[in-house]
Amino acid sequence: QKEVEQNSGPLSVPEGAIASLNCTYSDRGSQSFFWYRQYSGKSPELIMFIYSNGDKEDGRFTAQLNKASQYVSLLIRDSQPSDSATYLCAVKGNGQNFVFGPGTRLSVLP
Amino acid sequence: GAGVSQSPRYKVAKRGQDVALRCDPISGHVSLFWYQQALGQGPEFLTYFQNEAQLDKSGLPSDRFFAERPEGSVSTLKIQRTQQEDSAVYLCASSPQGASSEQYFGPGTRLTVT
Repeated sequence: QKEVEQNSGPLSVPEGAIASLNCTYSDRGSQSFFWYRQYSGKSPELIMFIYSNGDKEDGRFTAQLNKASQYVSLLIRDSQPSDSATYLCAVKGNGQNFVFGPGTRLSVLP
Repeated sequence: GAGVSQSPRYKVAKRGQDVALRCDPISGHVSLFWYQQALGQGPEFLTYFQNEAQLDKSGLPSDRFFAERPEGSVSTLKIQRTQQEDSAVYLCASSPQGASSEQYFGPGTRLTVT
């Protein structure tokens, strides 16, 4: 059973702080890694994807991948109340399907 | 451009009824995925199409679930003899290339079986 694990939260951070969201996966053959944001009652929205070890930055978001540790993270700098949502980690292995984690609920406090 | 659209947005079915959920992917997107999302959970993979070919249906929970994409564009997910445990949000996603590329989700169909 291929698994993706995330801390369900809620993770609460003050406005302006860095939010750090973590994800671990069990399939060592996984190739592609994605972060989605999902507001309550809405569908998931792609934030970033990363394929190679290291960091990838896009605006206030940085994805970090460590394949040896089977770990991927998302950092959100200068967190805003509008960042409050559930963040889903998705991992694609050698097969066709994506495996999503259960999501981490982030709350940014004004 | 237009994103992924799904219809209906909400569906209430009596137990035992058949339902059909439609997905219109982003124009030109090769890959199409169906997911089931229960409240408070991440999306669970159901099935995957590359053009009109259904390459993976390993996530379909029972033989009551059937999906098709006959012309490689619009897809329909059909659930026969609905049960209460089928109540969930059904999400469709498309991606521009193969299964490795990023997916873009539609708004989902919320199915409630009474």
